[in-house]
Amino acid sequence: AAGVIQSPRHLIKEKRETATLKCYPIPRHDTVYWYQQGPGQDPQFLISFYEKMQSDKGSIPDRFSAQQFSDYHSELNMSSLELGDSALYFCASSSRKGTGEAFFGQGTRLTVV
Amino acid sequence: GNSVTQMEGPVTLSEEAFLTINCTYTATGYPSLFWYVQYPGEGLQLLLKATKADDKGSNKGFEATYRKETTSFHLEKGSVQVSDSAVYFCALSDPRNNDMRFGAGTRLTVKP
Repeated sequence: AAGVIQSPRHLIKEKRETATLKCYPIPRHDTVYWYQQGPGQDPQFLISFYEKMQSDKGSIPDRFSAQQFSDYHSELNMSSLELGDSALYFCASSSRKGTGEAFFGQGTRLTVV
Repeated sequence: GNSVTQMEGPVTLSEEAFLTINCTYTATGYPSLFWYVQYPGEGLQLLLKATKADDKGSNKGFEATYRKETTSFHLEKGSVQVSDSAVYFCALSDPRNNDMRFGAGTRLTVKP
């Protein structure tokens, strides 16, 4: 069965650069969640989208923005990168027409140097 | 709005000890409830779920019972193993719109 696909799997950027992370949900899933997990830290909720509209917002910095497109994939845009942005970024998807459980991608590891 | 509150970690236990991780929820309807687990170096994965009151979800020796009267979904295991060391997340899904809410996570370390 198709799972949540995140790309790229690994990304190295320099300070002050920008990065774009992509998430492709399971087919027919309409909701996407983004999480950030720093080294040795627990995942922190960033933001979620349902039907291309933001549905919930967590601890997402102002330097970050995200959106969900008409094909339900989502992109997390990160600008003015800082060393502290180095983390594993997880995406999850769920369907409001199903059981509601979320399925997680393998994550994108971002390293800022 | 809907929310989930779970026991703060970290929790450290010896092998074969009994585990309880408390989770309570606030919801205006009758949500589905989940426990997710993140093993070291891996992504989050569903551990167990319950979709209605008095349901018991179980998997890998873990159990949680959906208690409407106490709005709780505590995770239990009778005898933990070192391999159970992970971060555990309680979550709910509102059946009216399937919007999910996660708890903050509880880190469990099991020592031999």
